Amino acid sequence: AQRVTQPEKLLSVFKGAPVELKCNYSYSGSPELFWYVQYSRQRLQLLLRHISRESIKGFTADLNKGETSFHLKKPFAQEEDSAMYYCALRNTGNQFYFGTGTSLTVIP
Amino acid sequence: DGGITQSPKYLFRKEGQNVTLSCEQNLNHDAMYWYRQDPGQGLRLIYYSQIVNDFQKGDIAEGYSVSREKKESFPLTVTSAQKNPTAFYLCASSPWDNTYEQYFGPGTRLTVT
Repeated sequence: AQRVTQPEKLLSVFKGAPVELKCNYSYSGSPELFWYVQYSRQRLQLLLRHISRESIKGFTADLNKGETSFHLKKPFAQEEDSAMYYCALRNTGNQFYFGTGTSLTVIP
Repeated sequence: DGGITQSPKYLFRKEGQNVTLSCEQNLNHDAMYWYRQDPGQGLRLIYYSQIVNDFQKGDIAEGYSVSREKKESFPLTVTSAQKNPTAFYLCASSPWDNTYEQYFGPGTRLTVT
């Protein structure tokens, strides 16, 4: 069965500090993984996907199949990064599975 | 203003009544999804549709029904058989390409008393 786990419900870091939001998954096939973000009073939106290997707003995420992880990282957190972050997995049947989310607060 | 819309924003119903939540998109997306969001549980897939007149159950389809008669519309009916209908419901759409990016609506908060 597919499953996405985000172990941290809440995460606080100081501005300028590195941040890492953890995501682990279980899936027997070849996964497609995504990070979605929801800023205050905005809709849930895509932040990045592993297949494009891009850096968005300074965030990167590397798929580690050995550890079944897709952690989201940023070297220097900014106040505007404060938001709710969801890790998601898409299976071959085009179903999506979301984690429970991590609320990130960047302290000025 | 293009995008995906859900109405109403808040909905109140009495127990035992069916209620239909609206989801419309003008993005010409093929796929549409319904999720339920409960505190501490993230988003859980109720139903999804990849083309008109076709839809599949997600993990928590019991007590819900959908239709996809038009590409732009994917209404969700919460039936009286749903044991815990009070929740926040999110609709999303996605193009049928290799991006698989989901575009989310603003959500509908349903309260059943």
